[in-house]
Amino acid sequence: DAGITQSPRHKVTETGTPVTLRCHQTENHRYMYWYRQDPGHGLRLIHYSYGVKDTDKGEVSDGYSVSRSKTEDFLLTLESATSSQTSVYFCAISVAGTANYGYTFGSGTRLTVV
Amino acid sequence: GQQLNQSPQSMFIQEGEDVSMNCTSSSIFNTWLWYKQDPGEGPVLLIALYKAGELTSNGRLTAQFGITRKDSFLNISASIPSDVGIYFCAGQELTGANNLFFGTGTRLTVIP
Repeated sequence: DAGITQSPRHKVTETGTPVTLRCHQTENHRYMYWYRQDPGHGLRLIHYSYGVKDTDKGEVSDGYSVSRSKTEDFLLTLESATSSQTSVYFCAISVAGTANYGYTFGSGTRLTVV
Repeated sequence: GQQLNQSPQSMFIQEGEDVSMNCTSSSIFNTWLWYKQDPGEGPVLLIALYKAGELTSNGRLTAQFGITRKDSFLNISASIPSDVGIYFCAGQELTGANNLFFGTGTRLTVIP
C-alpha cells in the first residue's frame, strides 16, 4: 500500500463530545486531505494541508478543525460532534497539489454519532 | 461547491456485458479522473485524463475527456465479477487550491 493509515477504523461517540481522527503517512508527501463520504454526495472535502502548520478549509469545513504539526500526521477534530457528522471519513495524500501525481486514499474511518 | 452529476446511480449487468457511465459538470475542469471503491476501502485511481478530447485506456477500461471540458465517460468492456464496486468521477481545477470534486458515484453489480 501507499503508506497511509487512518485511526481509528470505527468509532461511536455521543453528541456533544469532541472527537479526533488521525491520518498518518510514511510517504513524506506535502499535501494531505480530509474528505467525508455520504450517500448521494460522493466525497466532499473538509480541510486540507499543503505543509506543516499550513491548512485551509474545504467545501464542508463547518464544525471541523485540523492540525498538522508534523509532515506525517494530519488530525481532524470534530469540536462538538453532531448526528449530521455521522459519516465515513477518508484521508488522502498527494506529492503535489495536482491530480497528475495522484491522490492516494486511506481505508477510511466510520464514525457514528449517537 | 462544484456539482458533478454522475449517471447512472446504479447498474446491474450480466458478466461479459459492457458498461458505460458518465459524469457532467456545471464547471470546466482541467483534469478528469475515475476512481473505483471496494467495500470498506478508499477510492483507487483507475484512469486520469489531462486534456479535452483525450481518450485513454487501462486494460478493459476506457475513459474520455469531453471536448467541452465539462464531461467525461468511462466504459468497461467484458465485465467480470471483480468489477463490482462504486465508481466515482472527479474533476480538478487548476486554480486556487487545485482541489478534487467528486461525483455521486455509480454502484456496479455484476451478475455471474
